Amino acid sequence: DQQVKQNSPSLSVQEGRISILNCDYTNSMFDYFLWYKKYPAEGPTFLISISSIKDKNEDGRFTVFLNKSAKHLSLHIVPSQPGDSAVYFCAASDQTGANNLFFGTGTRLTVIP
Amino acid sequence: EAGVVQSPRYKIIEKKQPVAFWCNPISGHNTLYWYRQNLGQGPELLIRYENEEAVDDSQLPKDRFSAERLKGVDSTLKIQPAELGDSAVYLCASSLTENEQFFGPGTRLTVL
Repeated sequence: DQQVKQNSPSLSVQEGRISILNCDYTNSMFDYFLWYKKYPAEGPTFLISISSIKDKNEDGRFTVFLNKSAKHLSLHIVPSQPGDSAVYFCAASDQTGANNLFFGTGTRLTVIP
Repeated sequence: EAGVVQSPRYKIIEKKQPVAFWCNPISGHNTLYWYRQNLGQGPELLIRYENEEAVDDSQLPKDRFSAERLKGVDSTLKIQPAELGDSAVYLCASSLTENEQFFGPGTRLTVL
């Protein structure tokens, strides 16, 4: 039972345009969300996170939006750069002390120069 | 600061053979995680350690998988015997604070 879902396996965007990656979750106990970026033959690296007490968190070109009522979050990358081409994983956890992350299946972003 | 170190990076074995993976977390990180990532999927937690104690091993297939973290630093994950379905990337991660986990490069296991 996939508790975190990324329904778009791939996305292609022109350099300089906005990339929007989407993620849905089913567990209402999740209250902390993260995005990880993964290059081939490397482990995932932390990109940005958001707590459920917020609906937006911004870090440079990366912004994560959270819609709790819809159980939906999105990652916006503006402007997109070729170096952003990677697989992006959405992850969620509930802060009951478990610290366990539940990952989505990933979206492969390709930024076309 | 050195990241999470894993070895080997790649391993090819025949089914029914044993295999072991090693992980050295970031210095000072008390929490260590082992994940398995199947092709086209996200990482799935196998076991989590707080220092040397396994505090969550509910997803670890205990009939063939075992793990240890002696002295609360590096850790070893073992599979014995390996099955074809065990082919995956095995990721180790560590954390100091809640939620932000740092991942190693993983070990890609192929079982023939």
